[in-house]
Amino acid sequence: DAKTTQPPSMDCAEGRAANLPCNHSTISGNEYVYWYRQIHSQGPQYIIHGLKNNETNEMASLIITEDRKSSTLILPHATLRDTAVYYCIVRAPYNNNDMRFGAGTRLTVKP
Amino acid sequence: EAEVAQSPRYKITEKSQAVAFWCDPISGHATLYWYRQILGQGPELLVQFQDESVVDDSQLPKDRFSAERLKGVDSTLKIQPAELGDSAMYLCASSSPPSTEAFFGQGTRLTVV
Repeated sequence: DAKTTQPPSMDCAEGRAANLPCNHSTISGNEYVYWYRQIHSQGPQYIIHGLKNNETNEMASLIITEDRKSSTLILPHATLRDTAVYYCIVRAPYNNNDMRFGAGTRLTVKP
Repeated sequence: EAEVAQSPRYKITEKSQAVAFWCDPISGHATLYWYRQILGQGPELLVQFQDESVVDDSQLPKDRFSAERLKGVDSTLKIQPAELGDSAMYLCASSSPPSTEAFFGQGTRLTVV
């Protein structure tokens, strides 16, 4: 079973920030939080990951709570091309830990 | 940019026939994953390889599914015999430290009729 809980769907207006929450209350100390997205009919695409500090790259920002039990993926200026299913995953990458997906959040960016 | 290659992209097969999918990971990636994704659901891990060894195949239906990665490079996933419920997208991904993210191929869309 997936170790994360995400809302099944969210809407966002084009140009606005999209904030996608993820609950991972049973996360272990050596597990990272990863985010992927899947645009229709394509393979999942890596977005960002983090352990406990907030992270930012050219695609998104990742905010992890101090207790590490939840996180938020932020797309600062959503575009129509950001419409996709977003998956939050927890894993310990250096332990050859497997990578298991839940159902994800379907984000729809509207004009 | 290096990519995970999968073939075929689409496959239609009749029930009870054998079918095989091929994956060529990014060069140098030691970890390879096979996933099955039913429409509307998240990808389900079927098998994970580290080099040529199976690390996890607990979710692989071993009565009909098999996977191999003989030389620790490319991999084949086989279904024999195919059933209607096997219709899905089959995804391959690879990763290798120190880069910890996994890269996915475009997948093989299987339709069993």
